[in-house]
Amino acid sequence: DTGVSQDPRHKITKRGQNVTFRCDPISEHNRLYWYRQTLGQGPEFLTYFQNEAQLEKSRLLSDRFSAERPKGSFSTLEIQRTEQGDSAMYLCASSPGTGKDNEQFFGPGTRLTVL
Amino acid sequence: AQKITQTQPGMFVQEKEAVTLDCTYDTSDQSYGLFWYKQPSSGEMIFLIYQGSYDEQNATEGRYSLNFQKARKSANLVISASQLGDSAMYFCAMRKGSWGKLQFGAGTQVVVTP
Repeated sequence: DTGVSQDPRHKITKRGQNVTFRCDPISEHNRLYWYRQTLGQGPEFLTYFQNEAQLEKSRLLSDRFSAERPKGSFSTLEIQRTEQGDSAMYLCASSPGTGKDNEQFFGPGTRLTVL
Repeated sequence: AQKITQTQPGMFVQEKEAVTLDCTYDTSDQSYGLFWYKQPSSGEMIFLIYQGSYDEQNATEGRYSLNFQKARKSANLVISASQLGDSAMYFCAMRKGSWGKLQFGAGTQVVVTP
């Protein structure tokens, strides 16, 4: 499978714990995006990378959130001291950065439940 | 600031009929892109169709077509000959320029009935 992959698919944690999610984009896609989706809503942008550079961060991304893409390939999203409000689906997407429509291809998401 | 509005929270459509999903947007940018994604109950976002702000013709992809009315700032999705597998959540999204973040609407839940 050459699509975007995310790991884990599901994560249940207790409030106050740290969690880390991984995203592997489509090979050679230089842009990688993180979104968060709560139940019944559309995805909301969190941050995005061009290669290893983090180009934009949403105000939604509090100090407890950090994202990295150290070698311009896979990315990690870490949430420290999780809160119940962090419960959501975390979606990763990648795009080639070229082409007419330059669509974003999404992964299956990581569903986080904070107890 | 950009804004995407999908006013239909849910719709029922009979199999083989066409359905139109509404999307209006608000932006002061001249260059932007409009997207429709499908999200089945499995959760994955599936790209359906794209329309660039400078494209003069409406985009079509198989049974999907985008009715782009730039002056009205609307980008409605038309699904022709609905199939049971079309039952899903549909999201309209906008991107400023040629790359960057997508801003999504709240979505429309479509249920196709036999």
